[in-house]
Amino acid sequence: SQTIHQWPATLVQPVGSPLSLECTVEGTSNPNLYWYRQAAGRGLQLLFYSVGIGQISSEVPQNLSASRPQDRQFILSSKKLLLSDSGFYLCAWLPRTTEAFFGQGTRLTVV
Amino acid sequence: DQQVKQNSPSLSVQEGRISILNCDYTNSMFDYFLWYKKYPAEGPTFLISISSIKDKNEDGRFTVFLNKSAKHLSLHIVPSQPGDSAVYFCAASSPYSSASKIIFGSGTRLSIRP
Repeated sequence: SQTIHQWPATLVQPVGSPLSLECTVEGTSNPNLYWYRQAAGRGLQLLFYSVGIGQISSEVPQNLSASRPQDRQFILSSKKLLLSDSGFYLCAWLPRTTEAFFGQGTRLTVV
Repeated sequence: DQQVKQNSPSLSVQEGRISILNCDYTNSMFDYFLWYKKYPAEGPTFLISISSIKDKNEDGRFTVFLNKSAKHLSLHIVPSQPGDSAVYFCAASSPYSSASKIIFGSGTRLSIRP
């Protein structure tokens, strides 16, 4: 069966510091991977998706970036965090348009 | 541009009664709809789905209704139980969207009171 690992679970970072969140998927190859963010009082906003190594599509302009260095690894990064980057970040694997499997999420608080 | 809208940010229902969560969409190309349930500090988990060729899908206490002409779907939970207290996300997808994108709504926080 497929498993999505996401870490860390919680993170408190000062404004201006860098960020790296990692997501790995087990049990499948060449997965379509996604980063979503749930900000306070808002829904699940799609940030980035990747259909393969080195292929990144951005949905919204922002302070964040994503990379796909390996087939089953998806990384969300920032060079300098802003207060507005606080939120709950979710990595997801979508095997098809009718299914989405999520990791446990990372609660990021920028202080 | 919100393609999937959940206009009620919160809903409080008495235990044992019916909970009805609503969702509207704007993109007529959506052909598959899903509901996800999310507890705090956890990832969303799949609850129930419906294809656009149907108008109703039932799974135990959960039923989803789809009204394509109104671009509206609803999730019925009956009877509501304390464990149903969570945030519910409505989601939609289209076979024509790139890279299997699923678009989520803003969520409705359901609270079941004793």
